[in-house]
Amino acid sequence: AQKVTQAQTEISVVEKEDVTLDCVYETRDTTYYLFWYKQPPSGELVFLIRRNSFDEQNEISGRYSWNFQKSTSSFNFTITASQVVDSAVYFCALSEDGGRRALTFGSGTRLQVQP
Amino acid sequence: EAEVAQSPRYKITEKSQAVAFWCDPISGHATLYWYRQILGQGPELLVQFQDESVVDDSQLPKDRFSAERLKGVDSTLKIQPAELGDSAMYLCASSLEGARSSYNEQFFGPGTRLTVL
Repeated sequence: AQKVTQAQTEISVVEKEDVTLDCVYETRDTTYYLFWYKQPPSGELVFLIRRNSFDEQNEISGRYSWNFQKSTSSFNFTITASQVVDSAVYFCALSEDGGRRALTFGSGTRLQVQP
Repeated sequence: EAEVAQSPRYKITEKSQAVAFWCDPISGHATLYWYRQILGQGPELLVQFQDESVVDDSQLPKDRFSAERLKGVDSTLKIQPAELGDSAMYLCASSLEGARSSYNEQFFGPGTRLTVL
C-alpha cells in the first residue's frame, strides 16, 4: 500500500535561514504523482507543486525548490531565505495510478519562522 | 475564478446527534472527494465519487457515515450519530476527470470544521 512519511513534525528557524522539509514515499506503482501543499493557520490547502514519476528534474520557483530522487523515494522541499509568511504546515502527498487515485498525504511538518 | 464551495464552514454538535456537510464542486468536474483531517494529521480520503458512482469508500466508517452524490454534481456527507472522535476538518475536493484519465489537479474547498461536544 502507498505511504508518505514526513519525519519532521516541527521545525523552527530564524528568518532568512534556509530550511529543507523531508518527504519519503512508498508505492509499488511505476506511474504516480507527488505533491506539496501548504496549509496556513486559516486552514485552506494551497497547492505548491506536482511532479510525475518520470520527471526527476529538480525545480526552482523563486525561493522554493524541490529535489525528487526516485532512487531514495524522496521528494524534499527547500525554502531559501525563509520569511515569517512561510510559517505554516506543509504536506507532501502521493497519487498513484498515473494520478487517477485520491491523494495520500503525509502527517505534515509545521514550520515556524521567527522574526 | 471557479471554486469548490462547502457549507457550513463551522459546525458544533453534541455527540449522538446527526450532522451533514455539503459540497458543490467546480462546474463540470466529474470526480469529487471527501477527506477528513484530524488535528495534527494529514487529510485522509473518506470517499471518492466518479459522477454519481462511488469509486473508493474503503476508509469510510459505514456504520455511521454516509455520502451521496445523487445527480453527479453536489454531494452530502452525513454522520449519524456523531462521536467525540469525529471532531475534525472535513475537506471536499474536485477534479475534472479523476479516475477516468491520467492526472487531473484536485481543487480543495475551504473545509468544514466539526466540533463534537
